[in-house]
Amino acid sequence: NAGVTQTPKFRVLKTGQSMTLLCAQDMNHEYMYWYRQDPGMGLRLIHYSVGEGTTAKGEVPDGYNVSRLKKQNFLLGLESAAPSQTSVYFCASSLTEVYEQYFGPGTRLTVT
Amino acid sequence: AQKITQTQPGMFVQEKEAVTLDCTYDTSDQSYGLFWYKQPSSGEMIFLIYQGSYDEQNATEGRYSLNFQKARKSANLVISASQLGDSAMYFCAMREAGFYGGATNKLIFGTGTLLAVQP
Repeated sequence: NAGVTQTPKFRVLKTGQSMTLLCAQDMNHEYMYWYRQDPGMGLRLIHYSVGEGTTAKGEVPDGYNVSRLKKQNFLLGLESAAPSQTSVYFCASSLTEVYEQYFGPGTRLTVT
Repeated sequence: AQKITQTQPGMFVQEKEAVTLDCTYDTSDQSYGLFWYKQPSSGEMIFLIYQGSYDEQNATEGRYSLNFQKARKSANLVISASQLGDSAMYFCAMREAGFYGGATNKLIFGTGTLLAVQP
């Protein structure tokens, strides 16, 4: 039981490049989330999903897209990376809306 | 708008002493949930404790307890008998209520308190 895993752990992109961050959970959780963490700002929600095939915008969705084609996977895409997207990205999942969220180890992304 | 405030950017505590980390929240909802997470220097987010707005008793989990004062809108974390391994960043978070009855479990985080436990 690996919990929540994220791929990759580190990545450096040049401005304008694209990439996809993969989040996978093996706990059969319905809800999944993508957050970003910046110094002094806590975690902010980018997008979330309340079930397979559903996605919705969070607090800071601009510049990101997501997809949840399979219940266990939640993908975060950056179509054209910008330096402002340099951050640590966390994926999380929860069984339902009333349970705590379990977090992945994070992905450190640098955009130069 | 819903908001979480953690006013202590950093705190020191001596090993084996108790420490309280402050958290205040702002919401107009009657039903909400409050969480505390720990983030050690390794970076992962670890769930510590949860308090529901309708829970009459303060939540406890081992050495962690949540001092919930609803009227004051505060949800302070108390760590008893601090250990060196407690040195970490601590985040308070609130579950945002769903709209039109649809719950989403979205979390709003505070900016965190960096706790340093000294031997």
